Amino acid sequence: EVQLVESGGGLVQPGGSLRLSCAASGFAFSNFEMNWVRQAPGKGLEWVSYIPHSGDTIYYADSVKGRFTISRDNAKNSLYLQIDSLRAEDTALYYCAREFDDGFDIWGQGTVVTVSS
Amino acid sequence: QSVLTQPPSVSAAPGQKVTISCSGSSSNIGNNYVSWYQKLPGTAPKLLIYKDNQRPSGIPDRFSGSKSGTSATLGITGLQTGDEADYYCGTWDSRLSGFNWVFGGGTKVTVL
Repeated sequence: EVQLVESGGGLVQPGGSLRLSCAASGFAFSNFEMNWVRQAPGKGLEWVSYIPHSGDTIYYADSVKGRFTISRDNAKNSLYLQIDSLRAEDTALYYCAREFDDGFDIWGQGTVVTVSS
Repeated sequence: QSVLTQPPSVSAAPGQKVTISCSGSSSNIGNNYVSWYQKLPGTAPKLLIYKDNQRPSGIPDRFSGSKSGTSATLGITGLQTGDEADYYCGTWDSRLSGFNWVFGGGTKVTVL
């Protein structure tokens, strides 16, 4: 079964850090571009970051640039998001999503990040 | 405010048709493929349409996509109660600093 499973979310104080992980299974992870997308409570979908197969040309949303770092380990079939200098507005459900043919065709169930003192 | 503009809500009776518009610009919809997603509460987004008008396997042909210039449209025919959800368009947006993926603000579909 093709699957993405996120982990690493939690409650963190403003200014804190977290490392989110996304474990891929059922497909050749190294062949696909990957993204992180989040949804804040009561809000719409917001794209966060993109990483290609090789991990070279990376893109970030302006709202997270300089604070979030996306990476991948193709040998471990895993995608990561290091999130630093967390703010209240980063509170959201974070999804990893596989990109194929200019669409996000496989999504995980998400991991919740709550930023609060 | 989203780069892609969608109506906040649309509604219709069961069996009827709804269309959801997604308006952008030459830096996004005008030069990149559009995809559409269905978001039910408590579940992950689901890809309905990719490359403007292609349906993934398993998506019924009640769902259709089209694009003209800098606008795209999602159509849902034979509306069912299970179609009540939020729908989002998305595409790549080209900028001087690189590329950003953008989503529309979302449209809530209500089945009357």
